[in-house]
Amino acid sequence: DQQVKQNSPSLSVQEGRISILNCDYTNSMFDYFLWYKKYPAEGPTFLISISSIKDKNEDGRFTVFLNKSAKHLSLHIVPSQPGDSAVYFCAATLGTGSYQLTFGKGTKLSVIP
Amino acid sequence: DGGITQSPKYLFRKEGQNVTLSCEQNLNHDAMYWYRQDPGQGLRLIYYSQIVNDFQKGDIAEGYSVSREKKESFPLTVTSAQKNPTAFYLCASSIRGGYNSPLHFGNGTRLTVT
Repeated sequence: DQQVKQNSPSLSVQEGRISILNCDYTNSMFDYFLWYKKYPAEGPTFLISISSIKDKNEDGRFTVFLNKSAKHLSLHIVPSQPGDSAVYFCAATLGTGSYQLTFGKGTKLSVIP
Repeated sequence: DGGITQSPKYLFRKEGQNVTLSCEQNLNHDAMYWYRQDPGQGLRLIYYSQIVNDFQKGDIAEGYSVSREKKESFPLTVTSAQKNPTAFYLCASSIRGGYNSPLHFGNGTRLTVT
């Protein structure tokens, strides 16, 4: 039973445009969400996170939106750059003190120059 | 430079042999983790350790064992009982569990068992 779903395995975007990566979850107990970025042959790196008490968190070109009622979050990258080409993983946790993250399968973003 | 070192990058073993993957961190983090990634799949938690001499099973612990004798080291042994050991293994650490404690990952070990 996949509790965190990234339904788009891949996404291609022109350089300078907006990239929107989507993530859905089924466990209503999740209350903290993270995005990780992964280049080939490297470990993932933390990108941005959001608590369930917020609906938006911004960090430079990256913004994460959370819609709790729809159990949906999205990562917006504006403007997209070729260096953003990577696999993006959405992850969720049950919150304070939790050591377990549940990851989605990832979305491969390709930014075309 | 602080970080997590996983060695070796590639590892080949014959079926039936146990193999130990190394993970060392110099970030002074309390918590350490082992994840497994298969093609087209997300990361799945094998084991985690909140503190020295303590560890808990994750979602897919069967066929694996770990130890945490030192804060900076969290080796993973893939035993012959693991039915599908070929995978990409990622070690991670965090200051602690929970909020505001993102995982820092190593660059992984790709294990191939034939």
